[in-house]
Amino acid sequence: GQNIDQPTEMTATEGAIVQINCTYQTSGFNGLFWYQQHAGEAPTFLSYNVLDGLEEKGRFSSFLSRSKGYSYLLLKELQMKDSASYLCAVPGTGFQKLVFGTGTRLLVSP
Amino acid sequence: EAGVTQFPSHSVIEKGQTVTLRCDPISGHDNLYWYRRVMGKEIKFLLHFVKESKQDESGMPNNRFLAERTGGTYSTLKVQPAELEDSGVYFCASSQDRGSGNTIYFGEGSWLTVV
Repeated sequence: GQNIDQPTEMTATEGAIVQINCTYQTSGFNGLFWYQQHAGEAPTFLSYNVLDGLEEKGRFSSFLSRSKGYSYLLLKELQMKDSASYLCAVPGTGFQKLVFGTGTRLLVSP
Repeated sequence: EAGVTQFPSHSVIEKGQTVTLRCDPISGHDNLYWYRRVMGKEIKFLLHFVKESKQDESGMPNNRFLAERTGGTYSTLKVQPAELEDSGVYFCASSQDRGSGNTIYFGEGSWLTVV
């Protein structure tokens, strides 16, 4: 089966950098996803990593280490609008469903 | 292009009543998924349709939950009779491809409160 762990809550200051970690245990590996979800809104796709290393997309970057079962989402130049939940997820068996972590609630303060 | 739309956005019903949630996927998406998030827990998979066929319903909690996708377009999720523990947010998602995560689009969810 799949199991995902990520911190429940983090706080950071506007303009700063924050790293949200995710560790996972899977019976097979088909990549790892990060989603952003603002309160009351749909989860929106941020990144998908299937190979080791860092992938950068503007202010957001995602890192994966398959040997360590570890990923992180790096947010730079934080803005107030980045306050949201960040969900780590891995595909389940057959890639037909996503298994989510509980999400990390990030609060960005002025 | 319209995203995944869900109706109703919020619903409050009494224990024992029936509620039907509707999801309209993005046009042309064969894959439709239902997920649920109970308060304080992670989002959990309920089931997956490919067109009108149920591909995987391993996440459905019990037989009080019935999902349909007649004609392979919109889908409904009926809870009958509703229990207190059914309260949560029910997300629908759709995708065109099964193998690529960046094409899975979520709706804003239907918030269900059973009192």
